Amino acid sequence: AQKVTQAQTEISVVEKEDVTLDCVYETRDTTYYLFWYKQPPSGELVFLIRRNSFDEQNEISGRYSWNFQKSTSSFNFTITASQVVDSAVYFCALSEAGIYNQGGKLIFGQGTELSVKP
Amino acid sequence: DGGITQSPKYLFRKEGQNVTLSCEQNLNHDAMYWYRQDPGQGLRLIYYSQIVNDFQKGDIAEGYSVSREKKESFPLTVTSAQKNPTAFYLCASSGASGSFAYEQYFGPGTRLTVT
Repeated sequence: AQKVTQAQTEISVVEKEDVTLDCVYETRDTTYYLFWYKQPPSGELVFLIRRNSFDEQNEISGRYSWNFQKSTSSFNFTITASQVVDSAVYFCALSEAGIYNQGGKLIFGQGTELSVKP
Repeated sequence: DGGITQSPKYLFRKEGQNVTLSCEQNLNHDAMYWYRQDPGQGLRLIYYSQIVNDFQKGDIAEGYSVSREKKESFPLTVTSAQKNPTAFYLCASSGASGSFAYEQYFGPGTRLTVT
Protein backbone atom coordinates (compact mmCIF):
# COMPACT_ATOMS: atom_id res chain seq x y z
CA ALA A 1 0.00 0.00 0.00
CA GLN A 2 1.11 3.55 -0.56
CA LYS A 3 2.38 5.41 2.43
CA VAL A 4 4.62 8.31 3.41
CA THR A 5 6.48 8.30 6.71
CA GLN A 6 8.10 11.30 8.33
CA ALA A 7 9.52 9.80 11.49
CA GLN A 8 10.69 13.10 12.97
CA THR A 9 7.70 14.74 14.61
CA GLU A 10 9.59 17.78 15.88
CA ILE A 11 13.08 19.14 15.34
CA SER A 12 14.62 22.10 17.12
CA VAL A 13 17.83 23.74 15.95
CA VAL A 14 19.69 26.96 16.53
CA GLU A 15 19.97 29.45 13.71
CA LYS A 16 22.72 28.73 11.17
CA GLU A 17 22.70 25.01 11.88
CA ASP A 18 22.05 22.62 9.02
CA VAL A 19 19.03 20.37 9.39
CA THR A 20 17.76 17.36 7.45
CA LEU A 21 14.12 16.30 7.36
CA ASP A 22 13.57 12.65 6.54
CA CYS A 23 10.91 11.20 4.26
CA VAL A 24 10.43 7.52 3.47
CA TYR A 25 7.73 6.33 1.10
CA GLU A 26 6.07 3.12 -0.01
CA THR A 27 4.44 2.67 -3.39
CA ARG A 28 3.29 -0.14 -5.65
CA ASP A 29 3.98 1.89 -8.76
CA THR A 30 7.16 2.44 -10.75
CA THR A 31 5.98 5.86 -11.91
CA TYR A 32 5.26 8.40 -9.24
CA TYR A 33 6.03 11.90 -8.06
CA LEU A 34 7.28 13.15 -4.72
CA PHE A 35 6.67 16.59 -3.28
CA TRP A 36 7.67 18.75 -0.35
CA TYR A 37 5.44 21.44 1.08
CA LYS A 38 6.03 24.03 3.80
CA GLN A 39 3.25 25.08 6.18
CA PRO A 40 4.16 28.25 8.10
CA PRO A 41 2.12 29.31 11.14
CA SER A 42 -0.35 31.11 8.87
CA GLY A 43 -1.54 27.68 7.74
CA GLU A 44 -1.29 27.84 3.96
CA LEU A 45 0.77 25.07 2.36
CA VAL A 46 3.53 26.33 0.09
CA PHE A 47 4.82 24.10 -2.69
CA LEU A 48 8.61 23.64 -2.58
CA ILE A 49 9.59 20.91 -5.02
CA ARG A 50 8.37 18.10 -7.27
CA ARG A 51 10.51 15.13 -8.26
CA ASN A 52 9.56 12.26 -10.59
CA SER A 53 10.58 8.68 -9.97
CA PHE A 54 12.87 8.54 -12.99
CA ASP A 55 15.02 11.46 -11.94
CA GLU A 56 17.34 10.68 -9.07
CA GLN A 57 19.47 13.76 -9.46
CA ASN A 58 19.79 15.76 -6.30
CA GLU A 59 18.47 19.28 -6.47
CA ILE A 60 19.64 22.46 -4.82
CA SER A 61 17.73 25.71 -4.57
CA GLY A 62 19.50 28.31 -2.51
CA ARG A 63 19.74 26.99 1.06
CA TYR A 64 17.43 24.08 0.25
CA SER A 65 18.54 20.74 -1.15
CA TRP A 66 16.84 17.45 -1.75
CA ASN A 67 18.30 13.95 -1.85
CA PHE A 68 16.21 11.32 -3.68
CA GLN A 69 17.32 7.69 -3.33
CA LYS A 70 15.09 5.03 -4.87
CA SER A 71 17.20 2.25 -3.35
CA THR A 72 16.09 3.33 0.12
CA SER A 73 12.74 4.86 -0.92
CA SER A 74 13.74 8.14 0.62
CA PHE A 75 13.39 11.77 -0.37
CA ASN A 76 15.14 13.81 2.29
CA PHE A 77 15.18 17.59 2.56
CA THR A 78 18.12 19.59 3.92
CA ILE A 79 18.14 23.23 4.94
CA THR A 80 21.61 24.70 5.13
CA ALA A 81 22.36 27.55 7.53
CA SER A 82 18.82 27.55 8.91
CA GLN A 83 17.04 30.80 9.69
CA VAL A 84 14.19 31.68 12.03
CA VAL A 85 11.91 32.14 9.00
CA ASP A 86 12.38 28.45 8.21
CA SER A 87 10.29 27.58 11.27
CA ALA A 88 7.26 25.71 9.95
CA VAL A 89 5.75 22.28 9.50
CA TYR A 90 7.14 20.49 6.46
CA PHE A 91 5.21 17.82 4.62
CA CYS A 92 6.43 15.19 2.21
CA ALA A 93 3.83 13.81 -0.23
CA LEU A 94 3.50 11.08 -2.86
CA SER A 95 1.44 10.97 -6.05
CA GLU A 96 1.17 7.70 -7.94
CA ALA A 97 0.49 7.26 -11.63
CA GLY A 98 -2.17 5.43 -13.51
CA ILE A 99 -5.21 3.55 -12.42
CA TYR A 100 -4.40 3.89 -8.75
CA ASN A 101 -4.65 7.62 -8.85
CA GLN A 102 -7.43 9.06 -10.93
CA GLY A 103 -7.28 12.75 -10.20
CA GLY A 104 -3.78 13.25 -8.91
CA LYS A 105 -4.44 12.53 -5.25
CA LEU A 106 -1.60 13.27 -2.87
CA ILE A 107 -0.66 11.04 0.04
CA PHE A 108 0.85 13.11 2.82
CA GLY A 109 3.21 12.23 5.60
CA GLN A 110 2.41 13.35 9.14
CA GLY A 111 4.70 16.35 8.87
CA THR A 112 7.82 17.47 10.73
CA GLU A 113 7.63 20.62 12.82
CA LEU A 114 10.87 22.54 12.55
CA SER A 115 11.69 25.18 15.11
CA VAL A 116 14.69 27.40 14.44
CA LYS A 117 15.74 29.42 17.45
CA PRO A 118 17.80 32.64 17.23
CA ASP B 1 -2.71 38.02 -8.70
CA GLY B 2 -3.60 34.39 -9.39
CA GLY B 3 -4.40 32.23 -6.44
CA ILE B 4 -6.90 30.41 -4.28
CA THR B 5 -9.14 32.16 -1.81
CA GLN B 6 -11.00 30.57 1.05
CA SER B 7 -13.49 32.34 3.22
CA PRO B 8 -13.94 32.89 6.01
CA LYS B 9 -10.63 32.29 7.77
CA TYR B 10 -12.36 31.41 11.04
CA LEU B 11 -15.86 29.96 11.34
CA PHE B 12 -17.85 29.08 14.42
CA ARG B 13 -21.02 27.00 14.40
CA LYS B 14 -23.32 25.25 16.78
CA GLU B 15 -23.58 21.51 16.69
CA GLY B 16 -26.34 20.29 14.39
CA GLN B 17 -25.98 23.08 11.84
CA ASN B 18 -24.75 22.63 8.32
CA VAL B 19 -22.00 25.02 7.24
CA THR B 20 -20.55 25.79 3.80
CA LEU B 21 -16.91 26.66 3.24
CA SER B 22 -16.03 28.68 0.19
CA CYS B 23 -13.14 28.00 -2.21
CA GLU B 24 -12.45 30.04 -5.34
CA GLN B 25 -9.48 29.88 -7.71
CA ASN B 26 -8.44 32.06 -10.64
CA LEU B 27 -5.57 29.87 -11.79
CA ASN B 28 -7.68 28.30 -14.55
CA HIS B 29 -7.01 24.91 -13.00
CA ASP B 30 -9.18 21.94 -13.88
CA ALA B 31 -8.88 19.96 -10.65
CA MET B 32 -9.82 21.06 -7.15
CA TYR B 33 -9.51 19.31 -3.80
CA TRP B 34 -10.66 19.56 -0.20
CA TYR B 35 -8.48 18.37 2.66
CA ARG B 36 -8.96 18.20 6.37
CA GLN B 37 -6.10 18.71 8.82
CA ASP B 38 -6.30 17.85 12.53
CA PRO B 39 -3.70 19.02 15.06
CA GLY B 40 -0.37 17.25 14.66
CA GLN B 41 -1.55 15.28 11.67
CA GLY B 42 -1.12 15.26 7.95
CA LEU B 43 -3.77 16.15 5.41
CA ARG B 44 -6.62 13.80 4.57
CA LEU B 45 -8.56 14.06 1.32
CA ILE B 46 -12.30 14.70 1.61
CA TYR B 47 -13.44 15.23 -2.00
CA TYR B 48 -11.90 16.10 -5.32
CA SER B 49 -13.13 17.23 -8.70
CA GLN B 50 -11.32 16.86 -12.01
CA ILE B 51 -13.82 18.77 -14.15
CA VAL B 52 -16.95 20.85 -13.80
CA ASN B 53 -20.07 18.94 -12.74
CA ASP B 54 -18.06 15.95 -11.61
CA PHE B 55 -16.51 15.06 -8.26
CA GLN B 56 -15.26 12.01 -6.41
CA LYS B 57 -15.10 10.95 -2.78
CA GLY B 58 -11.75 10.98 -1.08
CA ASP B 59 -10.71 9.03 1.97
CA ILE B 60 -13.00 10.70 4.51
CA ALA B 61 -16.09 11.89 2.61
CA GLU B 62 -18.71 10.84 5.16
CA GLY B 63 -20.57 13.83 6.54
CA TYR B 64 -19.44 16.18 3.78
CA SER B 65 -20.86 17.25 0.43
CA VAL B 66 -19.53 19.33 -2.47
CA SER B 67 -20.61 20.84 -5.77
CA ARG B 68 -18.69 21.94 -8.84
CA GLU B 69 -20.96 24.10 -10.96
CA LYS B 70 -18.20 26.43 -12.10
CA LYS B 71 -14.56 25.80 -12.87
CA GLU B 72 -13.50 28.47 -10.41
CA SER B 73 -15.55 27.34 -7.44
CA PHE B 74 -15.65 24.21 -5.27
CA PRO B 75 -17.65 24.80 -2.07
CA LEU B 76 -17.64 22.25 0.74
CA THR B 77 -20.62 21.70 3.04
CA VAL B 78 -19.97 20.21 6.44
CA THR B 79 -23.22 18.57 7.42
CA SER B 80 -24.59 17.77 10.84
CA ALA B 81 -23.79 14.12 10.07
CA GLN B 82 -20.06 14.78 10.39
CA LYS B 83 -19.22 13.54 13.88
CA ASN B 84 -16.06 15.58 14.50
CA PRO B 85 -16.25 18.65 12.27
CA THR B 86 -13.85 20.88 14.21
CA ALA B 87 -10.70 21.03 12.08
CA PHE B 88 -8.64 23.10 9.67
CA TYR B 89 -9.93 22.80 6.09
CA LEU B 90 -7.69 23.39 3.10
CA CYS B 91 -8.71 23.76 -0.51
CA ALA B 92 -6.27 23.11 -3.35
CA SER B 93 -6.20 23.15 -7.14
CA SER B 94 -4.08 21.58 -9.83
CA GLY B 95 -3.69 21.86 -13.61
CA ALA B 96 -4.33 19.27 -16.35
CA SER B 97 -7.38 17.68 -14.72
CA GLY B 98 -5.35 16.73 -11.71
CA SER B 99 -2.77 14.61 -13.43
CA PHE B 100 -0.61 12.81 -10.91
CA ALA B 101 2.39 14.71 -12.22
CA TYR B 102 1.19 18.14 -11.21
CA GLU B 103 1.68 19.88 -7.91
CA GLN B 104 -1.29 21.22 -6.01
CA TYR B 105 -1.59 24.82 -4.90
CA PHE B 106 -3.32 25.55 -1.63
CA GLY B 107 -5.54 28.25 -0.25
CA PRO B 108 -5.06 29.87 3.17
CA GLY B 109 -7.51 27.51 4.87
CA THR B 110 -10.62 27.85 7.03
CA ARG B 111 -10.51 26.95 10.70
CA LEU B 112 -13.92 25.57 11.68
CA THR B 113 -14.96 25.25 15.30
CA VAL B 114 -18.20 23.51 16.18
CA THR B 115 -19.49 23.65 19.75
